[in-house]
This record gives sequence, structure tokens and C-alpha cells, in this order.
Amino acid sequence: GENVEQHPSTLSVQEGDSAVIKCTYSDSASNYFPWYKQELGKRPQLIIDIRSNVGEKKDQRIAVTLNKTAKHFSLHITETQPEDSAVYFCAASGAAAGNKLTFGGGTRVLVKP
Amino acid sequence: DSGVTQTPKHLITATGQRVTLRCSPRSGDLSVYWYQQSLDQGLQFLIQYYNGEERAKGNILERFSAQQFPDLHSELNLSSLELGDSALYFCASSVLSWGLGSTDTQYFGPGTRLTVL
Repeated sequence: GENVEQHPSTLSVQEGDSAVIKCTYSDSASNYFPWYKQELGKRPQLIIDIRSNVGEKKDQRIAVTLNKTAKHFSLHITETQPEDSAVYFCAASGAAAGNKLTFGGGTRVLVKP
Repeated sequence: DSGVTQTPKHLITATGQRVTLRCSPRSGDLSVYWYQQSLDQGLQFLIQYYNGEERAKGNILERFSAQQFPDLHSELNLSSLELGDSALYFCASSVLSWGLGSTDTQYFGPGTRLTVL
């Protein structure tokens, strides 16, 4: 089955700096890669996603890149703000696996003012 | 608000007991997924239903079972509860299903926090 690894597990950045989180996946059949933000005790919220026919996608301060050959994808947050502090999860899925999401272990991001 | 609802928000029970968690998907979504989030295991897929039928199973224990009803709401039943079952249980819903050749976005409900004492 699919295995997703996520690094780093914790990330501390100064407000205004950029944050980068990296994930690798094992199943070459995976073709959908969402990123979720989760605040303490709350539901995972989708912040951006990318499909395997696209190499990069941006939404304001957030961008995701995908390298299918290397089987890795990354989340980039620019101009970080204190409200970006949360746990971020990457995930991978594919129709062959029933669309279930396999999550990475999560990255706890702390933005220091 | 994702449009996915879950009840109850919190559940405290004792070892050996049985509980039922309920999920209502977003309007129009036919697929429901259940995930377990514990401190040491992260977010783990349990089971998926599409339009009333089981479609995929993950690391779901035999003590756990689920079903999806004709009105598309789903219930996750946890029995013979153990201390290690304490976790956040999320359901998510999406429009498309397994087997249609594409993947789709899953929206998560607020979760049910289960505490087993």
C-alpha cells in the first residue's frame, strides 16, 4: 500500500519568513495530493491540493509543487503569519486505492511574532 | 464549516462498552470515509462507503464496524472498547467514488472525541 513520509516534524519560523514542508510517497499510482491544516482539537481543513497532471499550483501565499518522477511534493508558505501556526498534513490518494487518503505524519508549524 | 456533521462531539465511556458515532455527509456527497486520529498513530484510514456499500477497508479492527444508510448518513460502531481506542474519529465525505477513474476532494467533519476510561 501507499506510504507517505513528511518532513520536518516540527518547524519554527519567524513571522514574514517562508516555510517549506516536504513529503514523499511510495505508490506511483497515486495521483491526488492534498494538504490539510489542523488546529488543535479541530478538523483537518483542506488548504490546497494538486493532481498528478500539474507540476505546481498557487493560492495566494500558499503553493504546492509536485515531482512525479521523484515521487515527492512540497508545501510552500510565504510571508508567514501567526495564524499560520498549526499542524499541516500532506496526503496521497489514487482511484486504484479507493480514493482513501494516506497521510504523512504531520508538521507542527510555529510562527513566532 | 465543511458541511459534514458528526455527533456526538465528545464521548466518555468505560472499557468493554460499545458506542456509535454518527456522520452526515455534505449534501450531494455519496462517499463517506472514516479516519482515526490518535497521538501516536496520526491520521489513519478506517473504512469507506459509497452509496450504501462498503468500498475500501483500512486498518480497522474487527471490534469496529460501520454502515451507510439509504439517506447516506453513516455510523461507526466501536465495541469491546479498550483504553487504546481513545482518539479523535473523523468522517469525511466526497462526491465521487472509488472506481470512477479519478480522485476527488474529501471534506472533514468536526470529529468525535472518544475517551475510554
